[in-house]
Amino acid sequence: QKEVEQDPGPLSVPEGAIVSLNCTYSNSAFQYFMWYRQYSRKGPELLMYTYSSGNKEDGRFTAQVDKSSKYISLFIRDSQPSDSATYLCAMSLNDYKLSFGAGTTVTVRA
Amino acid sequence: NAGVTQTPKFRVLKTGQSMTLLCAQDMNHEYMYWYRQDPGMGLRLIHYSVGEGTTAKGEVPDGYNVSRLKKQNFLLGLESAAPSQTSVYFCASTLGGSSDTQYFGPGTRLTVL
Repeated sequence: QKEVEQDPGPLSVPEGAIVSLNCTYSNSAFQYFMWYRQYSRKGPELLMYTYSSGNKEDGRFTAQVDKSSKYISLFIRDSQPSDSATYLCAMSLNDYKLSFGAGTTVTVRA
Repeated sequence: NAGVTQTPKFRVLKTGQSMTLLCAQDMNHEYMYWYRQDPGMGLRLIHYSVGEGTTAKGEVPDGYNVSRLKKQNFLLGLESAAPSQTSVYFCASTLGGSSDTQYFGPGTRLTVL
């Protein structure tokens, strides 16, 4: 079993829809939770960062962490074609290393 | 600032050949990482460094060696390339601690025939 599980999709939604992405994990000691966005043939870039449990909102993006269920989510409201990318969840024990999910490929249709 | 740069961008090797991938960062970051990305596998850590002169093994270190002789550079070597090492390689750096943002380079696409 992988330490971090993420459905690779692909996910295709119409413009303006809400995109819902999630990851589950097995290590209850993870403290830091991140979402990275990766455009085709580019390096990943940090999108959202959350410490411990709770919600964090940044514009059209909301990240949620439920440590009791070992489940994290990313929601994208009013999705745009420019949101088409692969979204990777990542988490850390604060030991200088990140554990990544496999990534979910999202396409937003105009 | 250029951020994190990687050289080369593309490379094709024959089985058994050797090569070195260069990562450079101009942000004075302490920590540097090498990952490989394969379809359905996400990013897997090969080796990392927590400071100049230090290196440590990650999740998939076999077949690779690294060196960090200068703080701004992190080299990844393949001594005898194998087809299983066909992948996209990403370098990343962070100021300090896993809670900090990791900044990624643009990647190197390596094919081993």
